[in-house]
Amino acid sequence: AQTVTQSQPEMSVQEAETVTLSCTYDTSESDYYLFWYKQPPSRQMILVIRQEAYKQQNATENRFSVNFQKAAKSFSLKISDSQLGDAAMYFCAYKTSYDKVIFGPGTSLSVIP
Amino acid sequence: EAGVVQSPRYKIIEKKQPVAFWCNPISGHNTLYWYLQNLGQGPELLIRYENEEAVDDSQLPKDRFSAERLKGVDSTLKIQPAELGDSAVYLCASSSDRGQGYTFGSGTRLTVV
Repeated sequence: AQTVTQSQPEMSVQEAETVTLSCTYDTSESDYYLFWYKQPPSRQMILVIRQEAYKQQNATENRFSVNFQKAAKSFSLKISDSQLGDAAMYFCAYKTSYDKVIFGPGTSLSVIP
Repeated sequence: EAGVVQSPRYKIIEKKQPVAFWCNPISGHNTLYWYLQNLGQGPELLIRYENEEAVDDSQLPKDRFSAERLKGVDSTLKIQPAELGDSAVYLCASSSDRGQGYTFGSGTRLTVV
């Protein structure tokens, strides 16, 4: 069965600095998708970035980028120039070949002014 | 474009009472999901619909939970009778393409007392 692990329950970063959130997953599939979602206190889950497993190039969305290491089954999220609005829970998610999404336990990110 | 709409946003009920949650997905999104999110954890899939067909309900506790998606659009999730352990956030999400992430609603926070 597929699993998603986020080993950092809590992280903090100084405003304007860079932070990296870790995610590892376990799967025997070769074709899948990976996502990072942000959940602020409003509870709205917001898609931050997505990565297709067959693409070697790391996805980038403005200040957000990923380091996708397929062989190591690692999918970390880097947030550059952190802003106060980045404070939230961040969930790593894996989408299986049969369209089921499995979420990790989340990392709570605090941004220090 | 309107997002995924859920109601109510909050619900407090006594144990053993019934409760229902409603979800209106994004227009044109054929796939609809109900997720359960306990405090401090990632969402867990309860049921997935493709149009009006429930294609994955393996995690739905069928003795007390039921769901329907009439005409392949709106969906209702029901709990009867509710138990104290059902207190959680119930998230609805929809998608139109496997490669895309989900769009989530704001969720319903259920408190069973």
